[in-house]
Amino acid sequence: SQQGEEDPQALSIQEGENATMNCSYKTSINNLQWYRQNSGRGLVHLILIRSNEREKHSGRLRVTLDTSKKSSSLLITASRAADTASYFCATDYNQGGKLIFGQGTELSVKP
Amino acid sequence: DAGVIQSPRHEVTEMGQEVTLRCKPISGHNSLFWYRQTMMRGLELLIYFNNNVPIDDSGMPEDRFSAKMPNASFSTLKIQPSEPRDSAVYFCASSLARTGGMSEAFFGQGTRLTVV
Repeated sequence: SQQGEEDPQALSIQEGENATMNCSYKTSINNLQWYRQNSGRGLVHLILIRSNEREKHSGRLRVTLDTSKKSSSLLITASRAADTASYFCATDYNQGGKLIFGQGTELSVKP
Repeated sequence: DAGVIQSPRHEVTEMGQEVTLRCKPISGHNSLFWYRQTMMRGLELLIYFNNNVPIDDSGMPEDRFSAKMPNASFSTLKIQPSEPRDSAVYFCASSLARTGGMSEAFFGQGTRLTVV
């Protein structure tokens, strides 16, 4: 399976703290994307990082990519209760042109 | 654009019945994906279309599942006959594939299928 691995599976933090989620993948990629899913809803795109980029920011989100280790991390700074959701990484592999999702990290931010 | 539109939102059917899920992608997108989400298996890619042509259907569980994309604005996923283990949330997503990689995918709200 090309499916990536995410860790941790679940993360519980207090409002104001930072949350870090990790994603590992298996073969060469064009890009890696992060998505958010609120309970009972569809996935929403957060940020895309290309294979030739190492770091990207969007508001309170910071994504890093290490292609030598085939891994990425998503950092949410100054978390809010509204950030409570599941977060998924998705890889656009060189071969096949399709998006493969990891198992996700369930983030709970307590007020 | 109203985004990716899926119908129905909820479907409850009896085992053995045929189920058809529908999807209208975002206008101008050339890639369409069908995913299935369950607690046990997570988000699985079932099939991927590019320019209305099925490119990869290796994720389709078995012959009971079939998908079509007769034109750029419509796709269906059919299960015949349905079984209780098919119960899941089915998502359709569309995206724009360019040279160099896939752009962000836009997801529909999903169809929650329950087979009893």
